Amino acid sequence: SQTIHQWPATLVQPVGSPLSLECTVEGTSNPNLYWYRQAAGRGLQLLFYSVGIGQISSEVPQNLSASRPQDRQFILSSKKLLLSDSGFYLCAWSETRTGGQPQHFGDGTRLSIL
Amino acid sequence: DQQVKQNSPSLSVQEGRISILNCDYTNSMFDYFLWYKKYPAEGPTFLISISSIKDKNEDGRFTVFLNKSAKHLSLHIVPSQPGDSAVYFCAASRGGKLIFGQGTELSVKP
Repeated sequence: SQTIHQWPATLVQPVGSPLSLECTVEGTSNPNLYWYRQAAGRGLQLLFYSVGIGQISSEVPQNLSASRPQDRQFILSSKKLLLSDSGFYLCAWSETRTGGQPQHFGDGTRLSIL
Repeated sequence: DQQVKQNSPSLSVQEGRISILNCDYTNSMFDYFLWYKKYPAEGPTFLISISSIKDKNEDGRFTVFLNKSAKHLSLHIVPSQPGDSAVYFCAASRGGKLIFGQGTELSVKP
């Protein structure tokens, strides 16, 4: 069966520090991968998605970037964190990007910027 | 501009009764709609989906209804159980991208 792992579960970082969040998927090949952010009291906002190695699409302008160095690895990064980067970050995967295929989520990373 | 809206931030229901969670959308080009359930400190879990060409889909205690003319969908949970207490998100799909509502927190009381 397929599983998705995200780490760390919680992270406290000072303003201006770098960030690297990692997500890996097991049990499937060539998944579509996604990064979402949930701000307090809000729904999930799609940040990045990837349909293959090295292929990244950004949905919103921001202080973050994403990379997919391997088929089942997705990394969310920042060179300098801002206070507004605080939130709950979720990685997800799906079989394809066609409609109807559900996305399956990891357990998320709670990021607090001080 | 919020394309998917869940106007009720919370809902409280007695165990055994029906829970009805509502969702409205604005874009008629969405091709699928999905419901997710989320517990605190966990990622959302997929519950049920419906194609835009259908008006009802049922899976056990969960039924999703779609009213395209009203751009409205609802999730019915019958009978409600205390373990159903969680935040429920509706999501609309177009080209494989999901747009989520803000969520409704369901509390099922024994």
